[in-house]
Amino acid sequence: GAGVSQSPSNKVTEKGKDVELRCDPISGHTALYWYRQRLGQGLEFLIYFQGNSAPDKSGLPSDRFSAERTGESVSTLTIQRTQQEDSAVYLCASSSSSTQTYGYGYTFGSGTRLTVV
Amino acid sequence: QKEVEQNSGPLSVPEGAIASLNCTYSDQGSQSFFWYRQYSGKSPELIMFIYSNGDKEDGRFTAQLNKASQYVSLLIRDSQPSDSATYLCAVNRYNFNKFYFGSGTKLNVKP
Repeated sequence: GAGVSQSPSNKVTEKGKDVELRCDPISGHTALYWYRQRLGQGLEFLIYFQGNSAPDKSGLPSDRFSAERTGESVSTLTIQRTQQEDSAVYLCASSSSSTQTYGYGYTFGSGTRLTVV
Repeated sequence: QKEVEQNSGPLSVPEGAIASLNCTYSDQGSQSFFWYRQYSGKSPELIMFIYSNGDKEDGRFTAQLNKASQYVSLLIRDSQPSDSATYLCAVNRYNFNKFYFGSGTKLNVKP
């Protein structure tokens, strides 16, 4: 696609429910990243996928968070048993192998705003 | 200590003035430095990156890097109301997989 697409754009869920967030990267971009941004805060790294390599999960805050990506296509971020502190905007970004070395190929999606009530 | 520190602001400047945004980082091994602009309710967009000590200019924007002081700044000349946004500083360490972001500085340019 022309840009990084995320869905849903907004999600309100009850505490304890599971949610699944989707990211469709730019076609041909091998690297995909998930970040979390709490209100008024900076971006918090969650997870990184690069092609078929093992993902870098070092930023996932707890075992309630998981993410998958098949090849160089869509990624899903799943949050189980949601808590109120999970409320944030979840941003996905992608980059191509030719530009990611210097970072300027980093393109963000518009994000999913998650509210846990 | 946070990886990347920024003054949250808001920084208010009159239209046409120079806006100076500052960022410090804790890891001496940091290699690349980025400035992103984020409008309210929108996703961040890259506006500048710098790797070497000194200044890098792109239009009205100048990035300045001082690795000895672990300091990076962004100057916006001839500030416009459309520059009003939150500016995020991001730092990349020894690998290129993760960027550490500051919490951002909110800039208001008053007409």
